[in-house]
Amino acid sequence: DTGVSQNPRHKITKRGQNVTFRCDPISEHNRLYWYRQTLGQGPEFLTYFQNEAQLEKSRLLSDRFSAERPKGSFSTLEIQRTEQGDSAMYLCASSFPGLAGGPYNEQFFGPGTRLTVL
Amino acid sequence: AQTVTQSQPEMSVQEAETVTLSCTYDTSESDYYLFWYKQPPSRQMILVIRQEAYKQQNATENRFSVNFQKAAKSFSLKISDSQLGDAAMYFCAYRGGNFNKFYFGSGTKLNVKP
Repeated sequence: DTGVSQNPRHKITKRGQNVTFRCDPISEHNRLYWYRQTLGQGPEFLTYFQNEAQLEKSRLLSDRFSAERPKGSFSTLEIQRTEQGDSAMYLCASSFPGLAGGPYNEQFFGPGTRLTVL
Repeated sequence: AQTVTQSQPEMSVQEAETVTLSCTYDTSESDYYLFWYKQPPSRQMILVIRQEAYKQQNATENRFSVNFQKAAKSFSLKISDSQLGDAAMYFCAYRGGNFNKFYFGSGTKLNVKP
């Protein structure tokens, strides 16, 4: 396993179009997170899954955003009716919660999908 | 809500020298974890070092060490013997004790001069 993968790496779309991103976590990780990172800022939390259950959504996740993880493996993030303000890097991360301490606290990040809305 | 503040948008260090990146955070939780992540240009974020709040001893990973001051809610990163490959954005991150989301600072861009 080479880590968290995300596709596509880059997406350019016109305002009003729908886009979908995919994240494949590390195989034994049951938690999956989506973050958004704008230029010059740190990542901001959007949502996270434990297995197939979506357990928390940020207020940043408007009604135009939807995320799924249908079989508890890969996840998709869809943005409907894109706006220029949606332009950002969308990061996916996964983790394996276990005993406190050690490697189980770490979130492993993918390379991100850079979205540009024209 | 938890907040993480990195007050140094950009720093520079000479190769082989030592540099310290600052981070402060605000929380009412007693059980939490702190992290430094490195994000090289156009590459994915990787973990540099982690610190459990219940541990008094500062974490160390080779040339990277932290100064964790729990009462002051401060978590600085020291990079010794800086190398050209250390040039990147560095993000301080906080996570509560419930294995959920991270809160990130705005980042510090580290330049390493040869």
